[in-house]
Amino acid sequence: AQTVTQSQPEMSVQEAETVTLSCTYDTSESNYYLFWYKQPPSRQMILVIRQEAYKQQNATENRFSVNFQKAAKSFSLKISDSQLGDTAMYFCAFTPFNKFYFGSGTKLNVKP
Amino acid sequence: GAVVSQHPSWVICKSGTSVKIECRSLDFQATTMFWYRQFPKQSLMLMATSNEGSKATYEQGVEKDKFLINHASLTLSTLTVTSAHPEDSSFYICSARTHRAGPNQPQHFGDGTRLSIL
Repeated sequence: AQTVTQSQPEMSVQEAETVTLSCTYDTSESNYYLFWYKQPPSRQMILVIRQEAYKQQNATENRFSVNFQKAAKSFSLKISDSQLGDTAMYFCAFTPFNKFYFGSGTKLNVKP
Repeated sequence: GAVVSQHPSWVICKSGTSVKIECRSLDFQATTMFWYRQFPKQSLMLMATSNEGSKATYEQGVEKDKFLINHASLTLSTLTVTSAHPEDSSFYICSARTHRAGPNQPQHFGDGTRLSIL
């Protein structure tokens, strides 16, 4: 079975600080892809960052970076220099096939 | 690029009415489209996966006759909630994906449809 676990239902961070959101997954597949999506109050799902499992180098996108530990099946998201606009639900997702598996989400509140 | 348009964004209708939601990929060909349902403060629940030109694959527990999905072209999929009842009220989100550029392509989401059945 494919499962994705986000153990932090809600987190808060001060503006300009750094926060890390955790995600673990379980799969017997060796090749797959990992994604982080954000869902702001508008409820639109926005792709934040993606990681290919066969790549050892951690993906980065401006202020967003991941710490991908394949052996531990861990895929955490680090947000640097947090901004008020980062306030949203963040969903971790992974896809071994054509289907995506989403975690339960972490609500991030960025405080001024 | 990779824009997905979902329409309508909000619909309110009486119990017993059938409601159709459209999902269009505007600037790419979507070999696969997905339909999700999201309850307040919860994650996305996959309802069905549809590949262009073939029947949709429904997740366990999703009624095929209640939620009709059609993926007639590479740019359009529709979800019809038939004889909707208040318990069908929810937020429905579609997404689209193409494998033409490789298997690592993300899903691109529509803005969602808020369905309220009175």
